[in-house]
Amino acid sequence: AQTVTQSQPEMSVQEAETVTLSCTYDTSENNYYLFWYKQPPSRQMILVIRQEAYKQQNATENRFSVNFQKAAKSFSLKISDSQLGDTAMYFCAFESFGNEKLTFGTGTRLTIIP
Amino acid sequence: EPEVTQTPSHQVTQMGQEVILRCVPISNHLYFYWYRQILGQKVEFLVSFYNNEISEKSEIFDDQFSVERPDGSNFTLKIRSTKLEDSAMYFCASSDFDSGGPYNEQFFGPGTRLTVL
Repeated sequence: AQTVTQSQPEMSVQEAETVTLSCTYDTSENNYYLFWYKQPPSRQMILVIRQEAYKQQNATENRFSVNFQKAAKSFSLKISDSQLGDTAMYFCAFESFGNEKLTFGTGTRLTIIP
Repeated sequence: EPEVTQTPSHQVTQMGQEVILRCVPISNHLYFYWYRQILGQKVEFLVSFYNNEISEKSEIFDDQFSVERPDGSNFTLKIRSTKLEDSAMYFCASSDFDSGGPYNEQFFGPGTRLTVL
């Protein structure tokens, strides 16, 4: 069974600064996907960024990027130039290749301070 | 942009009562899911549904739970006899996994907060 661990329950950062959210996971599989989901106070989770395990290149989506270390089973999210709208709960999630279900971490509550 | 919707946003019920949580997935999606999030805990997978049958379920999804797609648009989760520990946020999700895409991007609804008294 897979597990996902997010060791930072809460974080806060000043607007325009950079913040990194940590995620580690445990799996015996070689092919899988990793995701970061954002859950704003309105509570609808939206996909921020994904990473295919077979790709060595780290995924980037505008101000969001990941640091994927497969050997270390680490998948951190970096948010650059943070904005007030980035305030949300962030969940790291794992999906086995060809599987359907997502396994989530416990989340990190990120607050951007004006 | 199409989105997953859920009703009601908040449901309060007495222990032992039956509840039905409703979801309208994105119209061209074929895979449907329920997850739950007990307050302060992680989001947990309950069940996935494809082609009018359960494709996978977790150990949480016992005989008290059932899912149904009663028509072409709704996807429901029924809890037959609610317990206090069923109090949680329940999220519906859908995906077009079957489209042959490389990964399964799931689109989530806003959730239904279930409170069992």
